[in-house]
Amino acid sequence: RKEVEQDPGPFNVPEGATVAFNCTYSNSASQSFFWYRQDCRKEPKLLMSVYSSGNEDGRFTAQLNRASQYISLLIRDSKLSDSATYLCVVTSSDAGKSTFGDGTTLTVKP
Amino acid sequence: ETGVTQTPRHLVMGMTNKKSLKCEQHLGHNAMYWYKQSAKKPLELMFVYNFKEQTENNSVPSRFSPECPNSSHLFLHLHTLQPEDSALYLCASSQTTGDSPLHFGNGTRLTVT
Repeated sequence: RKEVEQDPGPFNVPEGATVAFNCTYSNSASQSFFWYRQDCRKEPKLLMSVYSSGNEDGRFTAQLNRASQYISLLIRDSKLSDSATYLCVVTSSDAGKSTFGDGTTLTVKP
Repeated sequence: ETGVTQTPRHLVMGMTNKKSLKCEQHLGHNAMYWYKQSAKKPLELMFVYNFKEQTENNSVPSRFSPECPNSSHLFLHLHTLQPEDSALYLCASSQTTGDSPLHFGNGTRLTVT
């Protein structure tokens, strides 16, 4: 089983749609969680950190469920510019490193 | 300059060549990383340096040799590579290992002929 698993996708949605991605992790000692965005042939860029209480940044909402060991990303009112691959990242102090999911590809269409 | 800078952006090399990738971060971070991303594959961690000391070598072949002279600079020396080593090589830095977000450079796209 992979340490971090994401919805395989791809997700193809119309502009204005709401879309949600889930990510599960296996290491219960994981302590920090992030969503990154990667555009085609570019480097990953930090989208947002994920906090236990849940957090929101504009149209993006991230949630963490430690009991079930999953995190989610909700995108409301999708824009064409949201088209990208979204990477779930989990870090743990015992591993001393970040573990990336395989990514979920989102395409927003007009 | 700010952020994480990688050079060169593109590199084409033969299997007998020796080349080096360079990474520099201006964020005051203590940890630096090399990742490999092959076409349509997930990121693969290669090496981790924390306070200039190598803390992770993820079973990387010896034809890849990292060097970290200080907390701001990281190199990846390449020699006798194989065509399957063609990929995007990404450098990243973070404040510390374990719980800090990574900041990536824009990568070196390597083609081995």
